[in-house]
Amino acid sequence: KQEVTQIPAALSVPEGENLVLNCSFTDSAIYNLQWFRQDPGKGLTSLLLIQSSQREQTSGRLNASLDKSSGRSTLYIAASQPGDSATYLCAVRLGGGGSNYKLTFGKGTLLTVNP
Amino acid sequence: DAGITQSPRHKVTETGTPVTLRCHQTENHRYMYWYRQDPGHGLRLIHYSYGVKDTDKGEVSDGYSVSRSKTEDFLLTLESATSSQTSVYFCAIRGEGQGGYTEAFFGQGTRLTVV
Repeated sequence: KQEVTQIPAALSVPEGENLVLNCSFTDSAIYNLQWFRQDPGKGLTSLLLIQSSQREQTSGRLNASLDKSSGRSTLYIAASQPGDSATYLCAVRLGGGGSNYKLTFGKGTLLTVNP
Repeated sequence: DAGITQSPRHKVTETGTPVTLRCHQTENHRYMYWYRQDPGHGLRLIHYSYGVKDTDKGEVSDGYSVSRSKTEDFLLTLESATSSQTSVYFCAIRGEGQGGYTEAFFGQGTRLTVV
């Protein structure tokens, strides 16, 4: 059974700092990995999607990397801002055939960026 | 929001009553999903659908049923609500995202309280 772990569970940083969020998964036979942002009381917003054949994806100040063989992904946020404060979730989809697109989620990292 | 609408957004119901949550999508996506989100557990898949009248169970399906009579609507029913079903329920679809790859998009959630 795929298990996804996110460390740390919570992180507080001053504005302007660069930071890294970690995601690890137990079954390396993934199809892709997706990073989401969730604001309090809101739904999930997709940030970055990395296919199993890719090593990284970038969007603005966000960069996500994937090392499938070691079962790890990182989300790098450059020059953090108070508006980045949210819970960040990673989710993996297993490969091996089938098209039901079931995701296994980590429990998230609660990020607080202090002005 | 990928054209996903959940209703109601908030509901309080009594133990033992049936409850139906609705997910409506406007973009003709084939795959739809219901997740629940609980502190300490993250998001867990309840049921999913891969077409009209085609559904399957997820990891926490006990006490829930689903129906999909039209492409655009996926209904989640709590047959006899219990306090353990107090949660935030999210609907998701599988759609085309970054780089033409398929990824998950989520609705805004339904907060259900069973008293």
